[in-house]
Amino acid sequence: AQKITQTQPGMFVQEKEAVTLDCTYDTSDQSYGLFWYKQPSSGEMIFLIYQGSYDEQNATEGRYSLNFQKARKSANLVISASQLGDSAMYFCAMREFSNDYKLSFGAGTTVTVRA
Amino acid sequence: EAGVTQFPSHSVIEKGQTVTLRCDPISGHDNLYWYRRVMGKEIKFLLHFVKESKQDESGMPNNRFLAERTGGTYSTLKVQPAELEDSGVYFCASSPPGTSALRSYEQYFGPGTRLTVT
Repeated sequence: AQKITQTQPGMFVQEKEAVTLDCTYDTSDQSYGLFWYKQPSSGEMIFLIYQGSYDEQNATEGRYSLNFQKARKSANLVISASQLGDSAMYFCAMREFSNDYKLSFGAGTTVTVRA
Repeated sequence: EAGVTQFPSHSVIEKGQTVTLRCDPISGHDNLYWYRRVMGKEIKFLLHFVKESKQDESGMPNNRFLAERTGGTYSTLKVQPAELEDSGVYFCASSPPGTSALRSYEQYFGPGTRLTVT
């Protein structure tokens, strides 16, 4: 079964605007963590933001924020004030307590920022 | 501090040949992971080393794949013989010791090796 679902294969956003990347997850664990990674064209995977299942507040890291809706099992990434350098593929991932160290990834969303 | 490095960055081989991918984790990181992204699909976990021991290899697709981590430093992933469906990007990640807590997001990824089997 798919643990992480990213329904947006690709998105375009105008520079300086905000963009929301959707991520839903499936787990029966009470303890889990949700991650977003950025993969620019150079290939490396860059960690962006983390949200724990017991965290009461939504995570924020600079221009990145995570809209965590536990009941809906969604963990959308919001990028504010988009920059050209934000053009990349973005992956949502989950780590479950019962699944040890493994990260389960979604298929990714390609974001293209237009000037 | 040097990050996770992978070699080669790109490999093109013919079906039936052997390829060995190498990963050098961040110094001092006991945990080393291999992941794979086949074209158009999500990134999948392959296996996890703690030092030189295989902690979990449940994601290895079949016995044509062999991972080693002699001495608990760098790791190699050998594919023998390679098949067309093995094409994809192979990522290596590492994390410091004692990062079993969920909050540990210190899985630092390498740039990946793009494997093309023709």
